[in-house]
Amino acid sequence: QKEVEQNSGPLSVPEGAIASLNCTYSDRGSQSFFWYRQYSGKSPELIMSIYSNGDKEDGRFTAQLNKASQYVSLLIRDSQPSDSATYLCAVTVSDTGRRALTFGSGTRLQVQP
Amino acid sequence: SAVISQKPSRDICQRGTSLTIQCQVDSQVTMMFWYRQQPGQSLTLIATANQGSEATYESGFVIDKFPISRPNLTFSTLTVSNMSPEDSSIYLCSVEGGEGSTDTQYFGPGTRLTVL
Repeated sequence: QKEVEQNSGPLSVPEGAIASLNCTYSDRGSQSFFWYRQYSGKSPELIMSIYSNGDKEDGRFTAQLNKASQYVSLLIRDSQPSDSATYLCAVTVSDTGRRALTFGSGTRLQVQP
Repeated sequence: SAVISQKPSRDICQRGTSLTIQCQVDSQVTMMFWYRQQPGQSLTLIATANQGSEATYESGFVIDKFPISRPNLTFSTLTVSNMSPEDSSIYLCSVEGGEGSTDTQYFGPGTRLTVL
């Protein structure tokens, strides 16, 4: 079983719609959760971090975390064609002293103009 | 967040040769990480590099193949040794730090390696 799972997509939404990206993780001890955006040929760019249950909003982006269900999601409101990219979910595994990120395989988002 | 640069940005190498990738950060950081992203895949951690200690390698990665140096708090190198076409990937360094959290990681621009 993969430690971090994402639907690979592509997820296609019309411009102006809400895009919903989902991620599940297997390690119940995971403490830190991140969403990165990666444009083709570029390195990952941090969008959001979330550490506690509930919602965290930053502009058009909302991250949602449910530790009981081992589920983290990213909502993008008013989607724009410039949001078209691969979105990577990442978590820190809870091993003592090990703060490296474990990534999901990414979801490719296409925003249609 | 820290500004991270990598050299080279890309290279094409022959089978059996080695390439050293440099990662430079504009501020002192404790932990640096090296990741590999194979074509069409997500990121996989190669190793964690702390200044003054041996790098810690993930399962499937060994020091003889991917030796790492960390001579100071702003610089690290990753060498890909005795390359084969399977080593063709993007290699990324990352560092921890930034406002509000010490475990948020920021990535360098990456080194795109093609092995013929």
